[in-house]
Amino acid sequence: LAKTTQPISMDSYEGQEVNITCSHNNIATNDYITWYQQFPSQGPRFIIQGYKTKVTNEVASLFIPADRKSSTLSLPRVSLSDTAVYYCLVGDTGSARQLTFGSGTQLTVLP
Amino acid sequence: ETGVTQTPRHLVMGMTNKKSLKCEQHLGHNAMYWYKQSAKKPLELMFVYSLEERVENNSVPSRFSPECPNSSHLFLHLHTLQPEDSALYLCASTPGTGANEKLFFGSGTQLSVL
Repeated sequence: LAKTTQPISMDSYEGQEVNITCSHNNIATNDYITWYQQFPSQGPRFIIQGYKTKVTNEVASLFIPADRKSSTLSLPRVSLSDTAVYYCLVGDTGSARQLTFGSGTQLTVLP
Repeated sequence: ETGVTQTPRHLVMGMTNKKSLKCEQHLGHNAMYWYKQSAKKPLELMFVYSLEERVENNSVPSRFSPECPNSSHLFLHLHTLQPEDSALYLCASTPGTGANEKLFFGSGTQLSVL
């Protein structure tokens, strides 16, 4: 089961770009990397998923180097409402039931 | 709105009470999950149902009893809980149970056991 390591917390200011890096040294060949966002007292919400290189959607970008042992979630021009916990998950070759949530990264956006 | 609805949003119960949490998904998904999130802790997977069959039980105490009458509904029956069971209980669904499925979560039930 691929384990992930993320910073516990990060602070940023409104309008800045935020990059959160996740390490997953024992990622398996068939694993994808998925990021979720969670606000207090709510369920996590899917942000982005990728396998290699770069993926971009209307919310974020995901950068994955060639060795896939890490990934970086990039949030452009954050606002106060982006304050949340961000989780990096790596899919095991089994199934969704084996996806494990770590402690995540608490991002605090300051005015 | 994620398409996954949980009720009630908040629940306070005594240790001798019996209560049930309800989850309903309107996404046509075939798999449903119960997660527990205690304060300041990661989400813990409790149960997984695929096409109404339980496929995963992560050593959850018997005071938690899941029920999946059809692919759209999932219940968690609670009885004789302990104060340490106080947590946010989250329901989620996925289209299937293959690798790399995207989880769709409900807003959760905040449970307090007195």
